[in-house]
Amino acid sequence: AQSVTQPDIHITVSEGASLELRCNYSYGATPYLFWYVQSPGQGLQLLLKYFSGDTLVQGIKGFEAEFKRSQSSFNLRKPSVHWSDAAEYFCAVAPSMDSNYQLIWGAGTKLIIKP
Amino acid sequence: EAEVAQSPRYKITEKSQAVAFWCDPISGHATLYWYRQILGQGPELLVQFQDESVVDDSQLPKDRFSAERLKGVDSTLKIQPAELGDSAMYLCASSLGQQPYYEQYFGPGTRLTVT
Repeated sequence: AQSVTQPDIHITVSEGASLELRCNYSYGATPYLFWYVQSPGQGLQLLLKYFSGDTLVQGIKGFEAEFKRSQSSFNLRKPSVHWSDAAEYFCAVAPSMDSNYQLIWGAGTKLIIKP
Repeated sequence: EAEVAQSPRYKITEKSQAVAFWCDPISGHATLYWYRQILGQGPELLVQFQDESVVDDSQLPKDRFSAERLKGVDSTLKIQPAELGDSAMYLCASSLGQQPYYEQYFGPGTRLTVT
């Protein structure tokens, strides 16, 4: 069965430091890949997505993600975090052969920013 | 900027009572999703509509949950009777279409507590 794994439940990073959030998926072919952010009291917002082409994807708010087929990974990165980045981050995949393209979600990683 | 509206934002109900949630998608969005998000987990799709038709409700507990989108615009999700295990955040999302290149826009959610 298809699955998405975000190995880190919580990550604490100092403000100004770099960030990498991990995401691994289990699927035979290359799926469509997404990162969403959920801030307290707000709805989920799409940060970036990968369908094909350049494996380094740029998103909003200064985030980027790199697709690595050999590792079945789609890790999210930011060179310098801000206090406003404190939120929960979700990786999601849509199996490309599924007619409904339903999103399968990871359990999320909560990002805590140290001042 | 257009947003997905949901009401109520919070709902406390006793078990065995009926509860209903309302969602108004972004105008023109044909696809509407209801998700359930349990604390510490990613969203789980309950039902997906394309216009007024149900595309997928395979994860909807049909003995107690029902969903409708009568005119293909706004939608209602109902639980009757509510159980303690239904306590969760209920998220509504909409998109222009079902394909993954159409971004899903999420509402702020309804947090349900069943006592």
